[in-house]
Amino acid sequence: DVKVTQSSRYLVKRTGEKVFLECVQDMDHENMFWYRQDPGLGLRLIYFSYDVKMKEKGDIPEGYSVSREKKERFSLILESASTNQTSMYLCASSPPDRDEQYFGPGTRLTVT
Amino acid sequence: AQTVTQSQPEMSVQEAETVTLSCTYDTSESDYYLFWYKQPPSRQMILVIRQEAYKQQNATENRFSVNFQKAAKSFSLKISDSQLGDAAMYFCAYNTGNQFYFGTGTSLTVIP
Repeated sequence: DVKVTQSSRYLVKRTGEKVFLECVQDMDHENMFWYRQDPGLGLRLIYFSYDVKMKEKGDIPEGYSVSREKKERFSLILESASTNQTSMYLCASSPPDRDEQYFGPGTRLTVT
Repeated sequence: AQTVTQSQPEMSVQEAETVTLSCTYDTSESDYYLFWYKQPPSRQMILVIRQEAYKQQNATENRFSVNFQKAAKSFSLKISDSQLGDAAMYFCAYNTGNQFYFGTGTSLTVIP
């Protein structure tokens, strides 16, 4: 079975802190994604990566950055956390081209 | 721009009955995939069913089936013989290339 894991299920951080969310997949997938999920807004793409050291902005990249140094690991970084970044963050991976995504369990981040 | 619309934020169904969740999408592409994902409360998002746009035959997976109308850009999900375990948020998604687009979700309640 494909497994996508995220470093934390729940995280509480203070405004202004630098936050790292880690995602690891074990299926050698080329593509990895970070989404933000908010009620009534569905999933919104923050960043995605289609190869090591490659990244592309999604729909809402402001306030976020990413890092992909190894194929299996894709990190989301909140440079200076703000309260409007309180949300559920979902990581996903997929093989190339038009195939399903496999999701991690999500990290519920609260910024106070 | 590609968009996915789920016009039903909430639906409910009696146990053992049938329910249909609606999804429409907008695209200029001719080759793409469509998906329905299920997200149970506090649990991981999983794939329910997928449809390749070039296939005219509607996909089925046990109690789950789709009605794919390519010309109308409609992709509805039918759940037959609904079970309590079907209660979840359901997301319609569209994929072309390496990009995925999700709807805002439909919350399905199953009434015993």
